[in-house]
Amino acid sequence: GAVVSQHPSWVICKSGTSVKIECRSLDFQATTMFWYRQFPKQSLMLMATSNEGSKATYEQGVEKDKFLINHASLTLSTLTVTSAHPEDSSFYICSARGLTATDPSYNEQFFGPGTRLTVL
Amino acid sequence: RKEVEQDPGPFNVPEGATVAFNCTYSNSASQSFFWYRQDCRKEPKLLMSVYSSGNEDGRFTAQLNRASQYISLLIRDSKLSDSATYLCVVTLGTGGFKTIFGAGTRLFVKA
Repeated sequence: GAVVSQHPSWVICKSGTSVKIECRSLDFQATTMFWYRQFPKQSLMLMATSNEGSKATYEQGVEKDKFLINHASLTLSTLTVTSAHPEDSSFYICSARGLTATDPSYNEQFFGPGTRLTVL
Repeated sequence: RKEVEQDPGPFNVPEGATVAFNCTYSNSASQSFFWYRQDCRKEPKLLMSVYSSGNEDGRFTAQLNRASQYISLLIRDSKLSDSATYLCVVTLGTGGFKTIFGAGTRLFVKA
């Protein structure tokens, strides 16, 4: 199947700093990437949908000024957690889907390995 | 009501047991249905897609009942390695393409 990578896999930072997480589709082009957050023992919660070349669509309750998303190319989307606080500590996972309705990966989301963020 | 609801679990079963997971969804416009498996502190991985005609992959069988808005996953002859959280996933539309995850059902298979 298609491969999605995330970097970094884990990060520890001080409260108030900003953290950037990269999500890359390695062997396919993805018009759409999704960013999820997962707290311990809870399911994935969609934060935002990132479309290449346009503004991200944020889910209700997710602050767009705090979670900055940039999807500059068909293979890269970034999530920046600005002024991170301990309550932002979580497992952040991205996923990507293929380019067109005829693309075999279109209706399947391929997940990155996740980034574990710990804010002290 | 949650958009996707699953059995709360956890399920604790012995090796070799048959386990059934149930899932219901509330939006009749839902288009695609999947079961994902998530191991602890890992990303979800697609287990199988779910079709109205039902589909089987080895020990795993998935069923979809659109009229009842119900999805199921059956695991036969469970193995220790089946221990994981099973996520029911529903997508809405191919255009907007919103994906909704169930809360997951944790399975523990014991020797």
